Amino acid sequence: DIQMTQSPSTLSASVRDRVTITCRASQSISRWLAWYQQKPGKAPKLLIYKASSLESGVPSRFSGSGSGTEFTLAISSLQPDDFATYYCQQYNSYPYTFGQGTKLEIK
Amino acid sequence: QLQLQESGPGLVKPSETLSLTCTVSGGSISSSSYYWGWIRQPPGKGLEWIGSIFYTGSTFYNPSLKSRVTISEDTSKNQFSLKLTSVTAADTAVYYCARLPAEDSFDYWGQGTLVTVSS
Repeated sequence: DIQMTQSPSTLSASVRDRVTITCRASQSISRWLAWYQQKPGKAPKLLIYKASSLESGVPSRFSGSGSGTEFTLAISSLQPDDFATYYCQQYNSYPYTFGQGTKLEIK
Repeated sequence: QLQLQESGPGLVKPSETLSLTCTVSGGSISSSSYYWGWIRQPPGKGLEWIGSIFYTGSTFYNPSLKSRVTISEDTSKNQFSLKLTSVTAADTAVYYCARLPAEDSFDYWGQGTLVTVSS
């Protein structure tokens, strides 16, 4: 199985900050990576697919980059609605696997 | 607008079979453009892919669960289903159904349903 490791596990930030979350794969997954946002009691929401493609309706302050084994999710100017948990997921090969999550908290 | 809705018992006894159904509206599960999948999330923990099904009936399972999982479809009802046998407390989780465009990520999710395994 491909292991996905996110860092940090928890991130404290303020509104209007720029933040980045890193996701590392245990082997190359090309650009077959997605990012999701999850709020308590809700289903995950797709933000980014194919490493850097913005899902329709997702604000442009979200961006993704990377290929191979290292990927980044960036939020350019945090809004109150962005405080949530973020997951990366690889779909290069079965079994699909997720990172352990990064909780973005208000400082 | 595509919608997915999970349904099934919220409480299952240990050693029994967990059965859930995902009803899809606003789109057809018979489309050749999409796979349909199940993902679970134990309380306070991360996400685990369980398996996926294609409109042809082809299935793909997580090896960690493969011996206990069956995913099937009922195109006449526009539903797909999950069966997980011999459940234990470790199977307690919120179960989500979701859509995957072919060779892509999960773009539409159901709201999730909590299944508790307890006697």
